[in-house]
Amino acid sequence: EAGVAQSPRYKIIEKRQSVAFWCNPISGHATLYWYQQILGQGPKLLIQFQNNGVVDDSQLPKDRFSAERLKGVDSTLKIQPAKLEDSAVYLCASSLMQGRTDTQYFGPGTRLTVL
Amino acid sequence: AQSVTQLGSHVSVSEGALVLLRCNYSSSVPPYLFWYVQYPNQGLQLLLKYTSAATLVKGINGFEAEFKKSETSFHLTKPSAHMSDAAEYFCAVTSNQAGTALIFGKGTTLSVSS
Repeated sequence: EAGVAQSPRYKIIEKRQSVAFWCNPISGHATLYWYQQILGQGPKLLIQFQNNGVVDDSQLPKDRFSAERLKGVDSTLKIQPAKLEDSAVYLCASSLMQGRTDTQYFGPGTRLTVL
Repeated sequence: AQSVTQLGSHVSVSEGALVLLRCNYSSSVPPYLFWYVQYPNQGLQLLLKYTSAATLVKGINGFEAEFKKSETSFHLTKPSAHMSDAAEYFCAVTSNQAGTALIFGKGTTLSVSS
């Protein structure tokens, strides 16, 4: 079974530029998460999708971050414009359903450096 | 609100020694708890999870954890460390807010020396 795929793996941009990340979850997984992991910290949720609907985006900085999950499969996360403090690893995860005990499977992440 | 505290940002053990990584939780509802491992430049991999079926949970690679409600703890142990266990370990609890996101601790880096 293929895992969660993410691209690109690494991205370096200047502040105020825009950037987009892509995630392809495990086939058949209804729930998709985007987490931000700042160096030295645990991952923090940005947004959760159930199929193509948003379940929780309370911690997404909506003035600069946006995300979509068209057709309930792939997802993209965009930052526009980027700030220095956005330097982090962006992790995508998926789970089969939306239960509180469901295992979340993580992709390898995209490491973003904002200069 | 749910939260997780991992005691000790860095733990060092010798190969063959006991591994003990500490995690305490705070939750207003019965918690569901997870331990994940992260190797350099990789995503997180589930080691084990507590879903209220049994308080002693066995996971992959010889790890286990015991849920202790009275101590609000979910410590991770392994009887004998191996060099390949060197990684970062995260304890997490499922949110009880709008969604089912995981709330992670800050992580503990495990070093294993020969």
